Amino acid sequence: DQQVKQNSPSLSVQEGRISILNCDYTNSMFDYFLWYKKYPAEGPTFLISISSIKDKNEDGRFTVFLNKSAKHLSLHIVPSQPGDSAVYFCAAISNSGSARQLTFGSGTQLTVLP
Amino acid sequence: DVKVTQSSRYLVKRTGEKVFLECVQDMDHENMFWYRQDPGLGLRLIYFSYDVKMKEKGDIPEGYSVSREKKERFSLILESASTNQTSMYLCASSLYWSSGNTIYFGEGSWLTVV
Repeated sequence: DQQVKQNSPSLSVQEGRISILNCDYTNSMFDYFLWYKKYPAEGPTFLISISSIKDKNEDGRFTVFLNKSAKHLSLHIVPSQPGDSAVYFCAAISNSGSARQLTFGSGTQLTVLP
Repeated sequence: DVKVTQSSRYLVKRTGEKVFLECVQDMDHENMFWYRQDPGLGLRLIYFSYDVKMKEKGDIPEGYSVSREKKERFSLILESASTNQTSMYLCASSLYWSSGNTIYFGEGSWLTVV
């Protein structure tokens, strides 16, 4: 049973427009969420995170929104750039748990078209 | 700067061979991880280690074993490689988990079993 779901395997966006990547979770114990970006043939790199005490966290062009009641988070990239083309993974964990419990979604391939 | 190094980037092995994947981190992290990444399945945890000589099975440990004799080094062992173990393998490390932490990935090892 997937506890973290990214239902869109792929997304294409025009350069300069907004990219919205979505992630749903089922485990109500999750209280810390992370987004990772992965280029082909490279390891994932940390992008942005959010704690459940917040509903929004912003870092430059990247903003993550958390809707706890809907068990839904989204990553907004504004404006999108061709270099943002990558696979994006969301991940979730309970801060009272061990790092072993970090759970990843299946990823969304973002393609930003020039 | 954080560094997780996977010694082999690309390997081709025959069915039945014993395979060693080595990982070294230079951040003095307590936690180390081995994941595999397959299209549509995201990142799945194979094994986790929280200290020297300590290990926990992840979600898909079958066919794998691990070794952590030194804090900085975590090895993944395929005792008898099979074609369904063809995948990208990712090593990662982190401090003991608490809010604000993240895990740091190596660049990945592409294993093909023929």
